[in-house]
Amino acid sequence: GQNIDQPTEMTATEGAIVQINCTYQTSGFNGLFWYQQHAGEAPTFLSYNVLDGLEEKGRFSSFLSRSKGYSYLLLKELQMKDSASYLCAVRDTVGAPPGGSYIPTFGRGTSLIVHP
Amino acid sequence: GAVVSQHPSRVICKSGTSVKIECRSLDFQATTMFWYRQFPKQSLMLMATSNEGSKATYEQGVEKDKFLINHASLTLSTLTVTSAHPEDSSFYICSARGGVYEQYFGPGTRLTVT
Repeated sequence: GQNIDQPTEMTATEGAIVQINCTYQTSGFNGLFWYQQHAGEAPTFLSYNVLDGLEEKGRFSSFLSRSKGYSYLLLKELQMKDSASYLCAVRDTVGAPPGGSYIPTFGRGTSLIVHP
Repeated sequence: GAVVSQHPSRVICKSGTSVKIECRSLDFQATTMFWYRQFPKQSLMLMATSNEGSKATYEQGVEKDKFLINHASLTLSTLTVTSAHPEDSSFYICSARGGVYEQYFGPGTRLTVT
């Protein structure tokens, strides 16, 4: 299994940049996901990292360092609608059947509050 | 992108009754669907993996006789909460696996047991 740690809550100002960190421990790493979840809604996929480095997608970027068991989600030009919970999820290879079907484990999520 | 629907979105039931939640993949076939439960300010906890045409695989600590899962077709999985108790009140979310790594989540069902 995995041990996933991310801050419980963060606040930031509209227009600013915020970085949400996620650290994990896993027996066999096979990818890290970031999801956005607004209150009372299902998570929506933001990014997937399996190799080290930075993946940029518009205002959102995700970084991974496998050797450090560390990832971050970077949000630029923050907007009020970015206020949400951001979930880090890690997939490992332990127990996966041949051919795959790896199921990620979710962290508790980081509640981001963007204020004017 | 792929769309997953859930019905109902909200349900209130009395203690001791059963509630069925449907999860449908609308524009793709899903041989595997997942059921999660999420308590307020908590993470998504995987309850079970639903496989079309076979028995579901339940996570440790999840009672399979209480949470009945049926994956009757490639586009429909159902979760039935039997003999519901107030502690079963939660947000239930299904997802379907699409492609190599993506999961498409349904909008969730808020269950309240009185």
